[in-house]
Amino acid sequence: DSGVTQTPKHLITATGQRVTLRCSPRSGDLSVYWYQQSLDQGLQFLIQYYNGEERAKGNILERFSAQQFPDLHSELNLSSLELGDSALYFCASSDRMGKETQYFGPGTRLLVL
Amino acid sequence: QKEVEQDPGPLSVPEGAIVSLNCTYSNSAFQYFMWYRQYSRKGPELLMYTYSSGNKEDGRFTAQVDKSSKYISLFIRDSQPSDSATYLCAIGKRDSWGKLQFGAGTQVVVTP
Repeated sequence: DSGVTQTPKHLITATGQRVTLRCSPRSGDLSVYWYQQSLDQGLQFLIQYYNGEERAKGNILERFSAQQFPDLHSELNLSSLELGDSALYFCASSDRMGKETQYFGPGTRLLVL
Repeated sequence: QKEVEQDPGPLSVPEGAIVSLNCTYSNSAFQYFMWYRQYSRKGPELLMYTYSSGNKEDGRFTAQVDKSSKYISLFIRDSQPSDSATYLCAIGKRDSWGKLQFGAGTQVVVTP
């Protein structure tokens, strides 16, 4: 158990809908990272937050957004969902901005029908 | 072209054999290197990380980095069926705030 928690574990929704994925980092970790893992694209970095502020962006679509709250938990919002958004979404955390050792949560499996 | 290339496998080996995994990368700016293990439907788990060229050993695992060739390897000695998983290499730059680039992952199957 990495200490990173993610909810929900599974999510089934329809195209055009909006969902929110939640992540609680390890105790004491200030950085949160979001990744998308699909069969054809592998594990892709989406976005990073450090102590409430956005620090790095990767291949994140404009339909997706994230934030980190004062208690350091983070939410990833996915809107106008498309079939191709079906994937595993992972959250990872680390104790410093840019700290290389990232600890991953169990993921949220999203299925868009 | 992807920044890090990894053969997706699957790689099947008998129990007790040495598993050899590798990745190549294209940009010499990458400065730290990691190997993650991912079991089916689980999150990736960090196995090894290193900053420098050469070997780093931890139990049955050895990570090897050759920066001049832009080539990284992971060796698993005395492989066990419990080592059956997907192994992902990851590389990063110190100035990119932890933004890691992952390989596609190699599926390893260790048969009893």
